[in-house]
Amino acid sequence: GAGVSQSPRYKVAKRGQDVALRCDPISGHVSLFWYQQALGQGPEFLTYFQNEAQLDKSGLPSDRFFAERPEGSVSTLKIQRTQQEDSAVYLCASSLVSGTDYNEQFFGPGTRLTVL
Amino acid sequence: GNSVTQMEGPVTLSEEAFLTINCTYTATGYPSLFWYVQYPGEGLQLLLKATKADDKGSNKGFEATYRKETTSFHLEKGSVQVSDSAVYFCALSDRGAGSYQLTFGKGTKLSVIP
Repeated sequence: GAGVSQSPRYKVAKRGQDVALRCDPISGHVSLFWYQQALGQGPEFLTYFQNEAQLDKSGLPSDRFFAERPEGSVSTLKIQRTQQEDSAVYLCASSLVSGTDYNEQFFGPGTRLTVL
Repeated sequence: GNSVTQMEGPVTLSEEAFLTINCTYTATGYPSLFWYVQYPGEGLQLLLKATKADDKGSNKGFEATYRKETTSFHLEKGSVQVSDSAVYFCALSDRGAGSYQLTFGKGTKLSVIP
């Protein structure tokens, strides 16, 4: 596709529900990142994939957060037993190469999650 | 750890005014520096970048110079337009961090009025 796409664009969940957020990176992009952006804040790193390998998950806030990229393309971020503090915009970004000191990350439009 | 501090907003300017948005950083390694922009209703887009000291990034009339001695990367534009109204984020990527994740500032909202 022309850019990074994310679905759904908006998600409303009741507290305690599980949610799954999807990211379709730009075709051929090796690296994929997830970020969380709270209202009025900058994005914060959650996790990073190089192809199908999850190389860094240091930003995941709790063990309720889980991400996967089984075939090295589409990625899913899953949040179990959602809490109100999980309400945020979840951004996905991809970049063409890995292991370089400059890698332009291309961002998707984000999924706005609201937990009631 | 790594961090980015940028000027609090919102900033409101008249068309053709001069813009400066200050950004300073703390990094454990030798980072690459970026400015991203988010126009209303759109996703984050890379505006400009600099990968080493004294590099100047430029795009669409915006400029920023990588100042290692002051750990700064201030964004400037000589004459803003209404179409520049957006939220601007300063960010760094630390090549020593392994995953090249971006560390962002909180963002500065710019409104340009005719």
